[in-house]
Amino acid sequence: EIVLTQSPGILSLSPGERATLSCRASQSVSSIYLAWYQQKPGQAPRLLIYGASSRATGIPDRFSGGGSGTDFTLTISRLEPEDFAVYFCQQYGKSPRTFGQGTKVEIK
Amino acid sequence: EVQLLESGGGLVQPGGSLRLSCAASGFTFSSYVMNWVRQAPGKGLEWVSVISGGGDSTDYADSVKGRFTISRDNSKNTLYLQMNTLRAEDTAVYYCANSGTTGFYRYFDHWGQGTLVTVSS
Repeated sequence: EIVLTQSPGILSLSPGERATLSCRASQSVSSIYLAWYQQKPGQAPRLLIYGASSRATGIPDRFSGGGSGTDFTLTISRLEPEDFAVYFCQQYGKSPRTFGQGTKVEIK
Repeated sequence: EVQLLESGGGLVQPGGSLRLSCAASGFTFSSYVMNWVRQAPGKGLEWVSVISGGGDSTDYADSVKGRFTISRDNSKNTLYLQMNTLRAEDTAVYYCANSGTTGFYRYFDHWGQGTLVTVSS
């Protein structure tokens, strides 16, 4: 099973600041099989990024993804109030599909 | 507009059974791979199971293998999860999610709002 470890667990930032979230895999993941999701309290997750760097439909361009192999990042260039949420990475190239434990982006 | 609406959750005793449903609309259901994902209270996401568009291929997380069965009725645009021999650790919100028409291994495009399953005596 591919274990995904996200860091930091909590990121405290102010609106307008840049957020950089990390996702490290226990073994190499093909970039085409890495996704990021956003989840707000009481809501279902929402797809943000797939294929490590492709934005899903309707996702603003302040969200960007990158990385390869075992190290991937999600960057939010300038935090908007609606971006404060929990973010999960996921690999979907091997069974079982696995998620990271999440990074909470909170208002400082 | 894609809509996924889960139902069937509730309180069940350990060792009991429950069947979840996910009613789909707004897309060609029979063409899409479908998944179940769960989230224990205050915890992260755990993929549970996947089924191909035609229903002929399935896969399960080890934690539910032999106890849960995923199925679909394409004539009713509905996905199911039959859960048997339930344990306390199965307590979670269960989401259905679609993952496209091209291949068994794909990201999860759209998610339902979830249904809560509580296993407790």
